[in-house]
Amino acid sequence: EPEVTQTPSHQVTQMGQEVILRCVPISNHLYFYWYRQILGQKVEFLVSFYNNEISEKSEIFDDQFSVERPDGSNFTLKIRSTKLEDSAMYFCASSRRGANSNQPQHFGDGTRLSIL
Amino acid sequence: ELKVEQNPLFLSMQEGKNYTIYCNYSTTSDRLYWYRQDPGKSLESLFVLLSNGAVKQEGRLMASLDTKARLSTLHITAAVHDLSATYFCAVDIGDTGTASKLTFGTGTRLQVTL
Repeated sequence: EPEVTQTPSHQVTQMGQEVILRCVPISNHLYFYWYRQILGQKVEFLVSFYNNEISEKSEIFDDQFSVERPDGSNFTLKIRSTKLEDSAMYFCASSRRGANSNQPQHFGDGTRLSIL
Repeated sequence: ELKVEQNPLFLSMQEGKNYTIYCNYSTTSDRLYWYRQDPGKSLESLFVLLSNGAVKQEGRLMASLDTKARLSTLHITAAVHDLSATYFCAVDIGDTGTASKLTFGTGTRLQVTL
């Protein structure tokens, strides 16, 4: 069964450094998402992406965050200047259809980001 | 701001017993998803509920949606140890034709003991 793949599985970065998290969504999916989960807490929506542009972003997704689909397969999340509070598990997800669809979002295994 | 609350937050139950997890949400929506998460792992889709009165069953799990009460339930029948995980409900408030926007509940950590 097709999967969403994320790399790296664990990223350790110094505070203030830039980090790029990478995702390869399922190949025939059209909608792409990033979520984060701080340890022991609920999953929080960051951003959705469709037709090569951001569809919606949350309050968490400030100017330090950006997303890109640089080619036909990758979907990246960049944090420009990391802060300690950015430490979390970041999940990429994709779906074939958007809202009001019987097709759920499929999640990757996540990237654990640790900011020192 | 949409609030999605689950209870209980933690549930320890014996094998063979039945129990229900509740998911309440604060805005009008008829689209709700249930996911399972094992420790340190990703989220696995369990159920998609897209209308008032929707009921879905898979094995020992059954999910339902009451949009008027803004309530979804996940019922566990004759629990087994393999069901131990954290269960999240997620409400979709995205507009039809656009990307989904999932707001997740607080999660219910289920521990099934022998």
